[in-house]
Amino acid sequence: SQQGEEDPQALSIQEGENATMNCSYKTSINNLQWYRQNSGRGLVHLILIRSNEREKHSGRLRVTLDTSKKSSSLLITASRAADTASYFCATSARENQGGKLIFGQGTELSVKP
Amino acid sequence: DAGVTQSPTHLIKTRGQHVTLRCSPISGHKSVSWYQQVLGQGPQFIFQYYEKEERGRGNFPDRFSARQFPNYSSELNVNALLLGDSALYLCASSYLGHLNQPQHFGDGTRLSIL
Repeated sequence: SQQGEEDPQALSIQEGENATMNCSYKTSINNLQWYRQNSGRGLVHLILIRSNEREKHSGRLRVTLDTSKKSSSLLITASRAADTASYFCATSARENQGGKLIFGQGTELSVKP
Repeated sequence: DAGVTQSPTHLIKTRGQHVTLRCSPISGHKSVSWYQQVLGQGPQFIFQYYEKEERGRGNFPDRFSARQFPNYSSELNVNALLLGDSALYLCASSYLGHLNQPQHFGDGTRLSIL
């Protein structure tokens, strides 16, 4: 079974707009990671945020983590058509020693030129 | 440097057959994990191997097995295939398989069961 849920399930925006995706999870975590998956391809790691961090930036990406609410958000600023993909959050628990990631259902992002 | 490579890319089998999927991790990576991704869902963890030993196992039946070789490559075996085993099987590697390390994924093997 999946660890959590992502919201929205699908998001369609215009190029240049910002895209926000949310993720909720159920158990305590060591870190939360975001991955991107283009159609029919493998997952690409975007960003990792540890449980003691609240916000992290990487280029046009901004991730927040609220462990009290067991939730995270991914913001993509100034979106491009190339950002069209599915985005997944994944959690890693301390007892899994990093090897087991539990993924959400994903958000399908469509950026229209 | 080459990324994680998986073979074959596509495979068609019939119910009851068995299948072997192969994965070569990034050079220097010692941990390999396997995931199953059913269409429209997120990946589900199957196994993790580190230094040729099983470190974790997901909620999958005993029909699923895996192993890791001295060169850190890995095989996933599935016996007595069912229609529900149709999915994209992803392999991921990391250097030590420790906390706070991202995993690097291959493009997967698309398995179709007829």
